[in-house]
Amino acid sequence: AQSVTQLGSHVSVSEGALVLLRCNYSSSVPPYLFWYVQYPNQGLQLLLKYTSAATLVKGINGFEAEFKKSETSFHLTKPSAHMSDAAEYFCAVSPNTGNQFYFGTGTSLTVIP
Amino acid sequence: KAGVTQTPRYLIKTRGQQVTLSCSPISGHRSVSWYQQTPGQGLQFLFEYFSETQRNKGNFPGRFSGRQFSNSRSEMNVSTLELGDSALYLCASSLGVIPDTQYFGPGTRLTVL
Repeated sequence: AQSVTQLGSHVSVSEGALVLLRCNYSSSVPPYLFWYVQYPNQGLQLLLKYTSAATLVKGINGFEAEFKKSETSFHLTKPSAHMSDAAEYFCAVSPNTGNQFYFGTGTSLTVIP
Repeated sequence: KAGVTQTPRYLIKTRGQQVTLSCSPISGHRSVSWYQQTPGQGLQFLFEYFSETQRNKGNFPGRFSGRQFSNSRSEMNVSTLELGDSALYLCASSLGVIPDTQYFGPGTRLTVL
């Protein structure tokens, strides 16, 4: 069975500081992994995805994530937080046997000026 | 290309009523998935339609149903509404390969009174 764990339901960082959002997955085979961002009253916007090519994936808005099979992790980072990064972030896994996504519970990012 | 559109954006219903939500996928996308998002349960997969056939189904009661038309537009129906059905319902479209990137609409906010 597929599952995703996001450590920390709320993360606060200062503007300009490093953003680190954690995601661990449980899967018997390496799945496809995604990070989405959700702004208030909006749908989910794709930030980046891992599809078994390069383990370091670069996404939009300066975000990147590294797939570490040995740690079953796919943490999201951004070197310098901006006020506009304040949102809810979701990690998701898609098995290679179906098209449904399994989402983590989300991490709410607050950026302090 | 236009993104995924969902109508209506907001709905208020009373217990026992039924409701139909609509989703128009990105042009060329043949797969439409539906998700329920609530503060308590997070994002949960309802079902996926591909080429007018239900391809995957989550763990929701039979009151939740869907269909897909030949132009890939999809509808979701919830019968005999319960208070707990209040949620943001998100539709996502993709090309239909497995696995694939899903692109989300803005959602329909359903409130059951």
